[in-house]
Amino acid sequence: SYELTQPPSVSVSPGQTATITCSGDALPRQYAYWYQQKPGQAPVLVIYKNTERPSGIPERFSGSSSGTTVTLTISGVQAEDEAGYYCQSVDSSAILFGGGTKLTVL
Amino acid sequence: QVQLVESGGGLVKPGGSLRLSCAASGFTFSDYYMGWVRQAPGKGLEWLSYISSGGSVIYYGDSVKGRFTISRDNAKNSLYLQMYSLRADDTAVYYCARPRALDCSGNRCNQYYFDYWGQGTLVTVSS
Repeated sequence: SYELTQPPSVSVSPGQTATITCSGDALPRQYAYWYQQKPGQAPVLVIYKNTERPSGIPERFSGSSSGTTVTLTISGVQAEDEAGYYCQSVDSSAILFGGGTKLTVL
Repeated sequence: QVQLVESGGGLVKPGGSLRLSCAASGFTFSDYYMGWVRQAPGKGLEWLSYISSGGSVIYYGDSVKGRFTISRDNAKNSLYLQMYSLRADDTAVYYCARPRALDCSGNRCNQYYFDYWGQGTLVTVSS
């Protein structure tokens, strides 16, 4: 099975835009999903099917896809967005997670 | 509202066994796939297994195939993970999660994602 590659860390100042990428060979033909996980808490789905936002997730969270890379964008980052972010996809019925990206709000 | 509550975690010696349970409520359990995901201390998420609504479709991740067994009891709204031959690197928080299965043809689906998660139960494998 293939891997999903994320940068280990991203830093951004409050009010700025954070972009977190996830790369994988199968992403042109498979959807990606994004989860937010704060310390000591369970993950929360923030984006599904590359670009869709679940109800209750703020509009500042958005997703996009281009070729083998999907991107989670957080516009107008707030302190409460500091968390780990994981992409997820599927390969031949196996569920894969990226290694995770720690978003630090400076 | 959807609730998933794990139990059964604890300290176990290397080579030992443990059975995790997940009690589900707030939705029609028998209509949904269910699964397990774990997270080692300070590490990322790792998918372990999922089971279809009726139990006929089961998949495991490579790291636990042959050592872990997933099962469910729809009459009790419960999901289980039986773990054997536990190793130190199985130490993790184990999450029960509900995968949504999309783009399905018969028993085969091409898309899965987790829309609800429990709070997790810690399993520590140490002598």
